[in-house]
Amino acid sequence: GAVVSQHPSRVICKSGTSVKIECRSLDFQATTMFWYRQFPKKSLMLMATSNEGSKATYEQGVEKDKFLINHASLTLSTLTVTSAHPEDSSFYICSAELIGARTDTQYFGPGTRLTVL
Amino acid sequence: ILNVEQSPQSLHVQEGDSTNFTCSFPSSNFYALHWYRWETAKSPKALFVMTLNGDEKKKGRISATLNTKEGYSYLYIKGSQPEDSATYLCAPAEGAQKLVFGQGTRLTINP
Repeated sequence: GAVVSQHPSRVICKSGTSVKIECRSLDFQATTMFWYRQFPKKSLMLMATSNEGSKATYEQGVEKDKFLINHASLTLSTLTVTSAHPEDSSFYICSAELIGARTDTQYFGPGTRLTVL
Repeated sequence: ILNVEQSPQSLHVQEGDSTNFTCSFPSSNFYALHWYRWETAKSPKALFVMTLNGDEKKKGRISATLNTKEGYSYLYIKGSQPEDSATYLCAPAEGAQKLVFGQGTRLTINP
């Protein structure tokens, strides 16, 4: 149980184009999903918290107009990298929160490798 | 933002040997600590969630301890097997939802 899928797993795009990444909770509903980014040899860094039916909460230093997040249903959140540039090339990974007792566990997708040429 | 350090960054262990590694985090305002196991090309999988000082959790050959007063957690693997090869991530929680990840310890088990 608690499976999260992410699509696509890998994408290569030209500079200036926009790329959409989907994150789905397959067997549970998630009011909250999270988007992380990982640079080479670095830790997972939280970009934003995606809340179903409301605006996402972005971490300091993350441009909300650059990284558009939509969480339109209890099983789907999307991250759109707008007007992508080579510096946006990175590994993006999402998680969905399973509500529990004091500690809420996040279940992760397999990630998306974005390369911007 | 919490400063989370994991050591060592990488580790090679002979099959059958036991091993352990460390996660250090600020001891003030502790909420919870999560351990994840991340195999190459797969999703990170939750191993443990620890909340109380002195907590000790176990799942098969893997166990973890928590010291919130001094700000560290140890992960132990007993009798390492090749399938234990993965990156192990720790993530203290900054409040109820926000996880702050360490860089991870990359473990390789040599047959």
